[in-house]
Amino acid sequence: ETGVTQSPTHLIKTRGQQVTLRCSSQSGHNTVSWYQQALGQGPQFIFQYYREEENGRGNFPPRFSGLQFPNYSSELNVNALELDDSALYLCASSPLAGDHPNTGELFFGEGSRLTVL
Amino acid sequence: GEDVEQSLFLSVREGDSSVINCTYTDSSSTYLYWYKQEPGAGLQLLTYIFSNMDMKQDQRLTVLLNKKDKHLSLRIADTQTGDSAIYFCAESMWDYGQNFVFGPGTRLSVLP
Repeated sequence: ETGVTQSPTHLIKTRGQQVTLRCSSQSGHNTVSWYQQALGQGPQFIFQYYREEENGRGNFPPRFSGLQFPNYSSELNVNALELDDSALYLCASSPLAGDHPNTGELFFGEGSRLTVL
Repeated sequence: GEDVEQSLFLSVREGDSSVINCTYTDSSSTYLYWYKQEPGAGLQLLTYIFSNMDMKQDQRLTVLLNKKDKHLSLRIADTQTGDSAIYFCAESMWDYGQNFVFGPGTRLSVLP
């Protein structure tokens, strides 16, 4: 069984640039969530995708956007990067069936560490 | 608003028990979770408890839930150096989508 994989693992951008982060969900999982983890803090929910549509969103501005593909993989796009966007971006998949959650366990990838200069 | 709180640091001696505490705010949370994060890695689920339970034991791990006080604890028996990591408490909200709210994490240091 393949786990959640994310790419790239590390990247450096400058203020104002755009970035795309990618995630392949664990086999059999149809739901993908993205979290931002700033240094020394817990992960903060950005959004969740199910059946290629956004299925929930945290308190992040519209310049954070995402996509989910038919194979359940996902992208996180951030436009107009700011210094405070520097963080570890975690993708998590879960076998959420329809709109009825199971135990809700999230399976995390190892993250993409973004540094904005 | 939604807020999960934890103490930030805990130091124990190898072989002792560790107790990591957490308070949460949403009494409607269905599940409460403990995740572990080792340096440079993603989060790994350790255990979870359903909100109608008081206690759950899983090998060296014991989770206690006091729903009245909205208090969750994780006890690690016979703590080993390999248990050194950051431990996150999280609650699951079903609002629009399944949103997990994580605490700030407790950094556990195990001294030899």
